[in-house]
Amino acid sequence: AQKVTQAQTEISVVEKEDVTLDCVYETRDTTYYLFWYKQPPSGELVFLIRRNSFDEQNEISGRYSWNFQKSTSSFNFTITASQVVDSAVYFCALAGGSYIPTFGRGTSLIVHP
Amino acid sequence: EPEVTQTPSHQVTQMGQEVILRCVPISNHLYFYWYRQILGQKVEFLVSFYNNEISEKSEIFDDQFSVERPDGSNFTLKIRSTKLEDSAMYFCASWTASGNTIYFGEGSWLTVV
Repeated sequence: AQKVTQAQTEISVVEKEDVTLDCVYETRDTTYYLFWYKQPPSGELVFLIRRNSFDEQNEISGRYSWNFQKSTSSFNFTITASQVVDSAVYFCALAGGSYIPTFGRGTSLIVHP
Repeated sequence: EPEVTQTPSHQVTQMGQEVILRCVPISNHLYFYWYRQILGQKVEFLVSFYNNEISEKSEIFDDQFSVERPDGSNFTLKIRSTKLEDSAMYFCASWTASGNTIYFGEGSWLTVV
């Protein structure tokens, strides 16, 4: 069985603050894929990143960065200099050998002006 | 950018009626999925479809649900006799495991009254 835990239910920050969204996963598969999706108020799931289990290189995309640590089974997401438009629910997901993504419960990020 | 398209975007139906939600996955993808998200809750797996048959289904996917890929392009989810608790956003997704990511459609919002 696989499991994704996003312990932070809601995070509230003021614009320009940095914020880190935590994701901890469990799986028995040796090959797996990790994802982050953004769900804005309009409801769609917007793909942000996919990471393969064999690629622990961290990634930066503009204000977004991801820290994949196999040793702690974590795949955390940091937004630098947050903006109001970053307000959304963010989901971490894991897919193992069955290629079926399991989602965490999501973290609601509220960025105040 | 490739996209998964879903119709309808929103449907209101009376309890007990049959509903069909339609999806056009990305053409060269091999894995297809339906997920459900009750308002404010997590994204839950319903069913996966591979090689023209169901590969896995969750406990939620009981006898009132069915999926079909009738013509090699459309991928449908049928709910035979809707209940109030079926009110949710239904997401279709597709993936080719060698590809970049799992793509989600924009969702079909089902309201059962």
